[in-house]
Amino acid sequence: AQTVTQSQPEMSVQEAETVTLSCTYDTSENNYYLFWYKQPPSRQMILVIRQEAYKQQNATENRFSVNFQKAAKSFSLKISDSQLGDTAMYFCAFMRVKETSGSRLTFGEGTQLTVNP
Amino acid sequence: EAQVTQNPRYLITVTGKKLTVTCSQNMNHEYMSWYRQDPGLGLRQIYYSMNVEVTDKGDVPEGYKVSRKEKRNFPLILESPSPNQTSLYFCASSLWGGGRPQHFGDGTRLSIL
Repeated sequence: AQTVTQSQPEMSVQEAETVTLSCTYDTSENNYYLFWYKQPPSRQMILVIRQEAYKQQNATENRFSVNFQKAAKSFSLKISDSQLGDTAMYFCAFMRVKETSGSRLTFGEGTQLTVNP
Repeated sequence: EAQVTQNPRYLITVTGKKLTVTCSQNMNHEYMSWYRQDPGLGLRQIYYSMNVEVTDKGDVPEGYKVSRKEKRNFPLILESPSPNQTSLYFCASSLWGGGRPQHFGDGTRLSIL
């Protein structure tokens, strides 16, 4: 079974600074996908970024980028130029893709990020 | 607008009183899933469905039922709710295959007294 671990329950950062959220996972699969989701106080689940395991290049979406280390099974999220609206719970998620079980997501415990003015 | 709609958003009920949380998507997605979110545990999958009349258990299926009679709807049924099912519930949907991202509903806060 896959497991996803986020070892930082809470983090804080000053507005305009950079912060990195950690995520590690355990799997025996070679082909999979990794995601970061954001959950603001409105509790919506918002996709931040997606990484395909077979791609070496790290995914980037505007101020959000990942450091994907496949051998180390590590998938950290870097937020640059932090904004107050980035305050949210962030979840790392692993997707194993198999014909028999579809697009199944396994989530980490979450990291509560607070951006301070 | 493409969306996943859950109802109700909030519900307070009592132990043993059957309840249904509805989920509907308008994106013609094959895959639908239910998750529960609890503090310190993240989201855990309850049940999923790969298409009409095809459902299977996730990681925490005990105490829940689902059905998929139509492609757009995937209701979650609690036949005899208990206090340990107090949680935040999410429905999600996606296209099949290729690591497609799941689209989530706005969540249902369920409290069972």
